[in-house]
Amino acid sequence: QITLKESGPTLVKPTQTLTLTCTFSGFSLSTSGVGVGWIRQPPGKALEWLALIYWDDDKRYSPSLKSRLTITKDTSKNQVVLTMTNMDPVDTATYYCARLLLDSPDYWGQGTLVTVSS
Amino acid sequence: ETTLTQSPAFMSATPGDKVNISCKASQDIDDDMNWYQQKPGEAAIFIIQEATTLVPGIPPRFSGSGYGTDFTLTINNIESEDAAYYFCLQHDNFPPTFGQGTKVEIK
Repeated sequence: QITLKESGPTLVKPTQTLTLTCTFSGFSLSTSGVGVGWIRQPPGKALEWLALIYWDDDKRYSPSLKSRLTITKDTSKNQVVLTMTNMDPVDTATYYCARLLLDSPDYWGQGTLVTVSS
Repeated sequence: ETTLTQSPAFMSATPGDKVNISCKASQDIDDDMNWYQQKPGEAAIFIIQEATTLVPGIPPRFSGSGYGTDFTLTINNIESEDAAYYFCLQHDNFPPTFGQGTKVEIK
């Protein structure tokens, strides 16, 4: 059974750095063709892809947010970590992680709501 | 970046109805279109891959069609448990992009 779960702070202040962890089970991020990505959805708005990391440590970032994002993996812990710098109230959203198989997302986490407010 | 235009944003259906949700891409994406179902507080469920292929375990009342720029998710004989938020995703080019989503209500 494949599961993913997002964890991190529910509230961050403007200008702070957000660190989110995706902990997964049921698959390995060292398997060829597998990736894990981060996606967010602001309240009432559409989903937006943020970043993804592949089994071979290839990393891709949303062009519009690239300067603020870093994605890393810890294969031994089955975790993928996303950091986003200089948080702003417009970054308030539910943040999701998802597994990708050959570039196609198949399994998703339930998401974690992050509010940016002073 | 490929823009996906999904419609309608909301629809209300009666059990047994046939429901169609459209997703139009701003450029040719071959069949690199997926559809997902999401209920509040739950993880999204993968229901259609590569535009037309039903994901194993998904009821056959769900189907997908289309290629290139125009895609449709169809739910035949809709059931009360199908009340959810549905969204499309293209993975033909990076970054993957999403439709705006459709909330389906069952009367």
